[in-house]
Amino acid sequence: DTGVSQNPRHKITKRGQNVTFRCDPISEHNRLYWYRQTLGQGPEFLTYFQNEAQLEKSRLLSDRFSAERPKGSFSTLEIQRTEQGDSAMYLCASSFFQHFTDTQYFGPGTRLTVL
Amino acid sequence: AQSVTQPDIHITVSEGASLELRCNYSYGATPYLFWYVQSPGQGLQLLLKYFSGDTLVQGIKGFEAEFKRSQSSFNLRKPSVHWSDAAEYFCAVGAGRLGNNDMRFGAGTRLTVKP
Repeated sequence: DTGVSQNPRHKITKRGQNVTFRCDPISEHNRLYWYRQTLGQGPEFLTYFQNEAQLEKSRLLSDRFSAERPKGSFSTLEIQRTEQGDSAMYLCASSFFQHFTDTQYFGPGTRLTVL
Repeated sequence: AQSVTQPDIHITVSEGASLELRCNYSYGATPYLFWYVQSPGQGLQLLLKYFSGDTLVQGIKGFEAEFKRSQSSFNLRKPSVHWSDAAEYFCAVGAGRLGNNDMRFGAGTRLTVKP
């Protein structure tokens, strides 16, 4: 059973450094979502792709955040010039969108700590 | 925009007792509703979902939820709780022009199970 995978699982970085996270969706899923989850809160939607097209990115937290899904398979989320406030769990989810709806399946997340 | 309220931040129940976790949503149309469970340091696992049809939906691990439009609620229930059910539970409402591309989560309810 190959679910959604995320790498790395943990990342510790110093303020001002750039970080990149990878998400591999369930094969044949055409949608991929990124969320951020801070302590004591539910996931907060950031962006999503349908195949290689990024259909929503207005909810990315700042222009330091960017995401790509170049071939419609795996995706990367990059945070430039990290700040301590970026410390959080970053979750990826994938789904198969058809008939105007979909169900999202989540990966284990990448926990980012910014020192 | 849609929103979700989970009124109980933390609930403690004894093993073998029944459980009900509350979820209230706000959305102008018929929502897509989900319950996810998250164990410490892990991603979210889908327990069950409601899209349409029968308002009582069955999920994995013996959980069920009932959609009540008049009360804007989607409460999660389990007749007999097991120690392994201790986790964080999130209710979510999905909506958007194209499927669940704008999913909003509640802040979660942490479940503790007493022996």
